[in-house]
Amino acid sequence: AQSVTQLDSHVSVSEGTPVLLRCNYSSSYSPSLFWYVQHPNKGLQLLLKYTSAATLVKGINGFEAEFKKSETSFHLTKPSAHMSDAAEYFCVVSEGSSNTGKLIFGQGTTLQVKP
Amino acid sequence: ETGVTQSPTHLIKTRGQQVTLRCSSQSGHNTVSWYQQALGQGPQFIFQYYREEENGRGNFPPRFSGLQFPNYSSELNVNALELDDSALYLCASSNTPGGRTEAFFGQGTRLTVV
Repeated sequence: AQSVTQLDSHVSVSEGTPVLLRCNYSSSYSPSLFWYVQHPNKGLQLLLKYTSAATLVKGINGFEAEFKKSETSFHLTKPSAHMSDAAEYFCVVSEGSSNTGKLIFGQGTTLQVKP
Repeated sequence: ETGVTQSPTHLIKTRGQQVTLRCSSQSGHNTVSWYQQALGQGPQFIFQYYREEENGRGNFPPRFSGLQFPNYSSELNVNALELDDSALYLCASSNTPGGRTEAFFGQGTRLTVV
């Protein structure tokens, strides 16, 4: 069975400082991994995805994540936080070989960016 | 903004009633998935429709049902509404049903059951 654990429910950083949102996953098969962002009153937007190509994945808005199979982790990072990054972030796993594309979401991490 | 549109944006229903939520998929997408997001939680997979057939279902009771039409738009129907059905319902479309495909989400329908 697949699962996702986001290790922090809330992360607070100052504008201009690095961002680290942590995610561990569990999957019996070759997983696909995603990070989605949800701004208030808006839908989910894909930041980046890993689907068994390069382990360091670059996404939109300066975000990137590294797939570490030995640690079953897929942490999201950004070198310098911007006020507009304040939102809810979800780490998501999908069974790569699945025919259904069912996405398993973590509980979410709220990112607060202080001026 | 994605090309996935959901209607209505907000809805208030009474316990025991029935509700229908609608989703128009992005152009060229033949697969629609529905998710329920309770307050403070991550979205939970309800089911997926591919070429008008149900193609996978999460842990939701049969009173949650759906349809997909020839133009690939979709409906989510919930019968005998319960208070716990209050949530944000999200629709996602993709161009294949598989696990490696990016899903594009609509803005959701906020359902309140009173």
